[in-house]
Amino acid sequence: AQSVTQPDIHITVSEGASLELRCNYSYGATPYLFWYVQSPGQGLQLLLKYFSGDTLVQGIKGFEAEFKRSQSSFNLRKPSVHWSDAAEYFCAVGGYTGNQFYFGTGTSLTVIP
Amino acid sequence: EADIYQTPRYLVIGTGKKITLECSQTMGHDKMYWYQQDPGMELHLIHYSYGVNSTEKGDLSSESTVSRIRTEHFPLTLESARPSHTSQYLCASTEGLSYEQYFGPGTRLTVT
Repeated sequence: AQSVTQPDIHITVSEGASLELRCNYSYGATPYLFWYVQSPGQGLQLLLKYFSGDTLVQGIKGFEAEFKRSQSSFNLRKPSVHWSDAAEYFCAVGGYTGNQFYFGTGTSLTVIP
Repeated sequence: EADIYQTPRYLVIGTGKKITLECSQTMGHDKMYWYQQDPGMELHLIHYSYGVNSTEKGDLSSESTVSRIRTEHFPLTLESARPSHTSQYLCASTEGLSYEQYFGPGTRLTVT
């Protein structure tokens, strides 16, 4: 069955510190992987995506993610967190048909001064 | 800039009422989706559409219905609202070649 696991419900980091959000997936075919960010009262915005090729992908706002097939993981990283990064982050997986996408439960990020 | 709109943004309604949540996009995307989002839970797909006159139910059982008469419009209807329908509803559309989903701001529905 297709599923996405985000093991960290909530993470708190200091501004300027590095960040890593974990994502593990289960998918029966070649996965298309995504990270989205959601600010309060808003919809989701795409940060980055992986379809194929280089397993380290760069996204907007200084985020990057690394696809590791052997670990079924797609962790999101940022070297230096800004206060404006505080939000909810969702990992998602889909297939080449683009008909259905499966989301994790999200990780809530708090940034302290 | 993606343009996908949802109205109303907030709705409080009594049990048994019929409601329609509106979703429109101006990008010409063929595929559109409705998700239900509850705090601490994953987004659940409740309906999707490949294009005009094509709709499918998602994994989450839902008492809602959808229609797709025009490419840009994908409304969701609840014939008889119940308190269990209280949730946030997100509409999205997909650009076919990139599979990037563009999301609307959501409708927060409360059924009393």
